[in-house]
Amino acid sequence: DGGITQSPKYLFRKEGQNVTLSCEQNLNHDAMYWYRQDPGQGLRLIYYSQIVNDFQKGDIAEGYSVSREKKESFPLTVTSAQKNPTAFYLCASSISGGVRNEQFFGPGTRLTVL
Amino acid sequence: EDQVTQSPEALRLQEGESSSLNCSYTVSGLRGLFWYRQDPGKGPEFLFTLYSAGEEKEKERLKATLTKKESFLHITAPKPEDSATYLCAVQDWTSGSRLTFGEGTQLTVNP
Repeated sequence: DGGITQSPKYLFRKEGQNVTLSCEQNLNHDAMYWYRQDPGQGLRLIYYSQIVNDFQKGDIAEGYSVSREKKESFPLTVTSAQKNPTAFYLCASSISGGVRNEQFFGPGTRLTVL
Repeated sequence: EDQVTQSPEALRLQEGESSSLNCSYTVSGLRGLFWYRQDPGKGPEFLFTLYSAGEEKEKERLKATLTKKESFLHITAPKPEDSATYLCAVQDWTSGSRLTFGEGTQLTVNP
């Protein structure tokens, strides 16, 4: 089955630690995205990548970092510089530049800072 | 800057009571408007893409329509399993593949 997987489903972090969230897709999509969702709010874009070895900052990139070494993978690191990291993190992917460019989402990772 | 406003924030319906959700948007040039359904603790599930004013799409009890300023998601004779948060997002021609999301409408359908 084609789809997007995220791991872990739940993640607990102590203050001052960096943590990395995994996102893998087997849809052969060029573009991948990371969003943050806070309770009762919509999705806010953290970083996105339209091609391997290239990525751009979204609206709330401070305190986060990403890499895109493989087409299938787009890991997100939440650094200790992120002041309020407790949130639900969603990864998505899409065709890049096509007519149909809807984004498809993974199941999410819930990060809690202890 | 693209903006999306969804209303109402929350909506409670009785089973079978039809209604509509609203998504108002401001973009420099609309490339697409997207509707998603999100269940608690899950990732959003894609429903529809609308590309131009006057376009309509249907799926089971849901029908999405688009004008130059807003989109409606009409729910006909809803069932309890339609309870979810419905998210609207827009993409414009100047922002590449980025989406701008509204805050969603939380729909509850009571049996």
